[in-house]
Parts: sequence; C-alpha cells; structure tokens
Amino acid sequence: GAVVSQHPSWVICKSGTSVKIECRSLDFQATTMFWYRQFPKQSLMLMATSNEGSKATYEQGVEKDKFLINHASLTLSTLTVTSAHPEDSSFYICSARDWKGPNTGELFFGEGSRLTVL
Amino acid sequence: AQSVAQPEDQVNVAEGNPLTVKCTYSVSGNPYLFWYVQYPNRGLQFLLKYITGDNLVKGSYGFEAEFNKSQTSFHLKKPSALVSDSALYFCAVRDISGNTPLVFGKGTRLSVIA
Repeated sequence: GAVVSQHPSWVICKSGTSVKIECRSLDFQATTMFWYRQFPKQSLMLMATSNEGSKATYEQGVEKDKFLINHASLTLSTLTVTSAHPEDSSFYICSARDWKGPNTGELFFGEGSRLTVL
Repeated sequence: AQSVAQPEDQVNVAEGNPLTVKCTYSVSGNPYLFWYVQYPNRGLQFLLKYITGDNLVKGSYGFEAEFNKSQTSFHLKKPSALVSDSALYFCAVRDISGNTPLVFGKGTRLSVIA
C-alpha cells in the first residue's frame, strides 16, 4: 500500500514554544490529508482536513490559530502547534488519501508523532 | 451524520481460540467500512475493507470481517488468535457519497493470552 511518513516521531518541548510536525505521502499524491489527535486510551479525534493549495477545514472545537495547518504541495502537509502548553501533549496522527486511486475512502496513516510539552 | 460503535472496550481470548471484535455503524447512505490495528505508540495499520461485493471480506494476518447490512454490523473475526494479535483495533466508516473523512469507533483492546 501507499506510504505516509510522519516526522518527528517524538518531540519534547518547553511550554510556550511552537512545534512543527510534517506529514509526507512518499509514493503518491494527496490533495487531501487529515490530522487526527489521540488521547491516551481513546479513539482518534479528527482535528482538521488539509487541502492542497487552500485553507484547512477545522472541526468544531479545534482552534485554528493554535493548530496551524499548511498543505503547500501534493505530498506534504504540516501541523504547527503554536505556543504549546502541557494540555497539548498528545499523539498526533496524519493520514492521506491517494487522489489518483479509486475513491474507496481508504486512508493511509503516518506512524504518529508523540508530543510532550513540559 | 455517520458514526461507529464498538461496544467492547476490551476483549480477552486464549491463544488458538477464535476471536470476534464487534462493530456497528450508522450512515445515511451506503457505507465503506474499514478495520485498522494500532500497536503501542504507532500509527494505524490497515487490515481490511468492505466497499462492495461479497459480504465476507478477508484481510491481512488472517483476519476477516462480515458486512451485515440488516444489522448494520461489520464484526472482525479470526479463527485462531495469536498472542501477537494483541493490540488496539479500530472500526471506521465512511459514507460513499461525498469526500468525507473516516469516522472511527472508540477502539477495542484485544488481549490474547498464551
């Protein structure tokens, strides 16, 4: 299947700093990528839909100024957690859909990024 | 709105025994259904999907799932569980109409005991 690379896998930062997480589709093009957040022992919560060349669509309750999403190319989307606080500590997972493939809705997931804010 | 229910937080099964992880869904139209598995601190790995065709879908690692439209269910099964199957399993659904994201169930933790 298609491969999605997410970087970094682990990041520890001080409160008040910003952290950028990259999501790359390695062998396919993705006009749409999705960012999920997962709390311990909980399911994945969709944060936003990232669209190449346009603004991201955020889910209700997700602060767009807090979680900046940029989808500058067909293979790269970035999530920047701005002015991070301990409550932002979480596991962030990106996913992408192969836009040239059949529209079956299958998503390919990155390995996730564990953010710890001290 | 679409939704997924995984009624069991935890499923325990002895190695070699058959396992079932339950999933029911709700969509306005016809569904695309998926099962994913997650190991600790890892992303999700695709197991199988139902798009159309045969109601019994076979996937990776010997898993299979049966689409039951009348019961709106898509239970995950395996005839003989392995200890290495122990992980967190997510069922997901998407309505086939429109470019909507997947909606996930809350997950079911499977523990296979030797």
